[in-house]
Amino acid sequence: GAVVSQHPSRVICKSGTSVKIECRSLDFQATTMFWYRQFPKQSLMLMATSNEGSKATYEQGVEKDKFLINHASLTLSTLTVTSAHPEDSSFYICSAGSVRNYGYTFGSGTRLTVV
Amino acid sequence: KNQVEQSPQSLIILEGKNCTLQCNYTVSPFSNLRWYKQDTGRGPVSLTIMTFSENTKSNGRYTATLDADTKQSSLHITASQLSDSASYICVVSPSGGSYIPTFGRGTSLIVHP
Repeated sequence: GAVVSQHPSRVICKSGTSVKIECRSLDFQATTMFWYRQFPKQSLMLMATSNEGSKATYEQGVEKDKFLINHASLTLSTLTVTSAHPEDSSFYICSAGSVRNYGYTFGSGTRLTVV
Repeated sequence: KNQVEQSPQSLIILEGKNCTLQCNYTVSPFSNLRWYKQDTGRGPVSLTIMTFSENTKSNGRYTATLDADTKQSSLHITASQLSDSASYICVVSPSGGSYIPTFGRGTSLIVHP
C-alpha cells in the first residue's frame, strides 16, 4: 500500500533557527501534498496544499514566509519553519496523495519543540 | 461551508466491549469518507475508505457504515482491545474542485482493562 515517510520524527531547536521537515511518498507519485499542524487534543489544521511543480496554496492565517513549502518532485515535499519561536512548537503532519486513488496517506508526524 | 461533526467527543469503555462512533457531514458534492485511527504523537492511519455507492466496509474488528442520503457514517468497534485506545477521525472529501478533505475533530476512545 501507499507509504509516506516523514522525517524527522522529533526535533528540538533554538528560537530563531530554521527547521526543515521532509515528506516522501515511497511507492507512489503524489500529485498533491498537504501539510497539517496539530496542537494537543485538537484536530488537524490544514496549513497548506501543494501540487508538484507549483507554488503552495496557504490557508488563511498561515504565514507563507514563515512556513516555506517546496514540492519539487512527485515524491518529495518539504516544510521549512523559518525563524522558529516557541509558539511554533507543535505536531506537524504531511499527507500525500493522488486524487485518482482517493488516497491521502499520512506521514508519521514531526514533533517540533522550540526552546 | 463543508463540515464534519463527530460524536461522542470522548468515550471510555471496558476491554472486550463494543462501541460505535458517529460522523455527520455536510460536504457536497461527496467523493469519499474515510475513518482514521490516530495514536498519540503519531500520524493518522487509514481504517476504511468508502465511496458513494458503498454502505459498509470492514477492516478486522472495525466496521464502517455510510448512509449517503442522510450524510451519516458510523464506525463500529467489536470486542475492543487496550490497543484501540486512540483518537478516531472521520474525513470527508469532496469531488471536483480542490479535493481538499474536511476533518472531524475526532472521538477520543479509551479502553480500560
